Amino acid sequence: EPEVTQTPSHQVTQMGQEVILRCVPISNHLYFYWYRQILGQKVEFLVSFYNNEISEKSEIFDDQFSVERPDGSNFTLKIRSTKLEDSAMYFCASSVWAKLFFGSGTQLSVL
Amino acid sequence: AQSVTQLGSHVSVSEGALVLLRCNYSSSVPPYLFWYVQYPNQGLQLLLKYTSAATLVKGINGFEAEFKKSETSFHLTKPSAHMSDAAEYFCAVSEETSGSRLTFGEGTQLTVNP
Repeated sequence: EPEVTQTPSHQVTQMGQEVILRCVPISNHLYFYWYRQILGQKVEFLVSFYNNEISEKSEIFDDQFSVERPDGSNFTLKIRSTKLEDSAMYFCASSVWAKLFFGSGTQLSVL
Repeated sequence: AQSVTQLGSHVSVSEGALVLLRCNYSSSVPPYLFWYVQYPNQGLQLLLKYTSAATLVKGINGFEAEFKKSETSFHLTKPSAHMSDAAEYFCAVSEETSGSRLTFGEGTQLTVNP
């Protein structure tokens, strides 16, 4: 079965550094998403992406965050200057017909 | 605005017993409802979804859920728990068929005792 692939599985960074989280969505899907889950909290929506632009974003997705689909297969989330509170599991997802497929996540630790 | 409430952050059952995980939703339009499961160190896997067809939805691994509009509920059940069902379960709601954000509940950790 096709799957969403995320790399790396774990990322450790220093506060203030930039990080890029990478995702390869399922090839025939048209909608792409980033969600995050802070330890012990709900899974939260960050952003959705369709037709090469952001279709919706949450209040969490501020100017420090950006997304890109640089080459038609990868989908990236960039955090420009990480903060301690950005530490979380970040999930990429892609969808078709109301069915979201999630990747295994990238655990981001900001020190 | 849409929201989901899962009653019970932890549920413990014996192997072979009925599993019942509760979910209530709030939505300003007819909702689309989902149950996801998360095994340790893994991503979210879709168990089942309701998208305004049959109110009783059957999913993978023997799980099913019933949409009850009058009760704004979408509880997840399984007649007989297996040890392998131990995981965290999330109920989620969206207001469109695709391209729309999911709003998740807080999750319910299911423990299955031998």
